[in-house]
Amino acid sequence: AQTVTQSQPEMSVQEAETVTLSCTYDTSESDYYLFWYKQPPSRQMILVIRQEAYKQQNATENRFSVNFQKAAKSFSLKISDSQLGDAAMYFCAYRSDSGGGADGLTFGKGTHLIIQP
Amino acid sequence: DTGVSQNPRHKITKRGQNVTFRCDPISEHNRLYWYRQTLGQGPEFLTYFQNEAQLEKSRLLSDRFSAERPKGSFSTLEIQRTEQGDSAMYLCASSLSYSTGGPRTDTQYFGPGTRLTVL
Repeated sequence: AQTVTQSQPEMSVQEAETVTLSCTYDTSESDYYLFWYKQPPSRQMILVIRQEAYKQQNATENRFSVNFQKAAKSFSLKISDSQLGDAAMYFCAYRSDSGGGADGLTFGKGTHLIIQP
Repeated sequence: DTGVSQNPRHKITKRGQNVTFRCDPISEHNRLYWYRQTLGQGPEFLTYFQNEAQLEKSRLLSDRFSAERPKGSFSTLEIQRTEQGDSAMYLCASSLSYSTGGPRTDTQYFGPGTRLTVL
């Protein structure tokens, strides 16, 4: 079974600074997808960014980018120019592409991101 | 609002009672997922549907849990004989999959969840 580990329960960053959230995962599969989701307080989960394992290029979405290291099974999220609206729980998630079912996402425990004004 | 909706948003029940939650996915989405999220944890996958067919069930889905998606549109999740350990946020997500058996590039969009409290 796949596991996703987020080793930082909480991170704090000054507004306009850059912060990196860590995620590692364990899998024996070669084809999969990785995601970062954001869950603001009392609000629904929103997709921040996704990465296909077969792509070597790191995904970017505006201020959000990832550092995907397939051999190390690492998938960190970098948030540049942090804004107050970025404050939320951030979840790293894994999804198999093995073709044998297992379509559900496997989530880490999350990192609580605090933005200091 | 064309996003995923869930009802009710909050449910308080007594141990031993049955509860049912509803999820309305984004209208054109053919896949629907249920997850459970307890305090301080990430969501855990329970089950998913492709149209009306339930294709996968987690071991977390005990015999007291049943999910349906009768016409391939909305879905219901029923918990029978609730226990205090069932207290959690129940999340629904939907996606549009263009193929079966091929790369699953669809993105799951989540609803706001139903918070269940079992007294």
